[in-house]
Amino acid sequence: DAKTTQPNSMESNEEEPVHLPCNHSTISGTDYIHWYRQLPSQGPEYVIHGLTSNVNNRMASLAIAEDRKSSTLILHRATLRDAAVYYCILMPYSGTYKYIFGTGTRLKVLA
Amino acid sequence: DGGITQSPKYLFRKEGQNVTLSCEQNLNHDAMYWYRQDPGQGLRLIYYSQIVNDFQKGDIAEGYSVSREKKESFPLTVTSAQKNPTAFYLCASSSPGSGYTFGSGTRLTVV
Repeated sequence: DAKTTQPNSMESNEEEPVHLPCNHSTISGTDYIHWYRQLPSQGPEYVIHGLTSNVNNRMASLAIAEDRKSSTLILHRATLRDAAVYYCILMPYSGTYKYIFGTGTRLKVLA
Repeated sequence: DGGITQSPKYLFRKEGQNVTLSCEQNLNHDAMYWYRQDPGQGLRLIYYSQIVNDFQKGDIAEGYSVSREKKESFPLTVTSAQKNPTAFYLCASSSPGSGYTFGSGTRLTVV
């Protein structure tokens, strides 16, 4: 199963943009890049996903490298409510269901 | 609204006792999963099921058992063989192209 690598923790000031990196050098052509975030004492929630092109939604943007070996989740204006653990995982459209969640990146937002 | 319901939210287990955690989904997802999360750690896969009446062991299945008699339900039993069951348990479901949907979790404590 393809694995991702993320920094253990990051800090950001409130109202500033945050760029959360993810490396996935063993990604295959059919793997989608998914991002989830987990608030304290809650289950993870979906943030965004993409295949090759950059993606935007109301929560965040996803920038995918041209070779697809890395991606960056962008929070345009961090708020205190964005303090969470962010997970980057690879999911094929169909097939294996044994996805790997690493320890993610713990984002701290400073007021 | 479609989603995943986990119950109870908090559960206390005595030494040597089996307990069952409930997970129900109304998303019509084929696959369901159970994860364990210890404080400050990532998610570790216990069991997953891709279809009714079939399930596979994850990375830490020892001391746990599951059943999948209905598409909507995937209960997890924590048996007395699980020596350190105190943790946060998360149930999730997925369907091709849909990504994960997680429940809100059950916090199990041994007393």
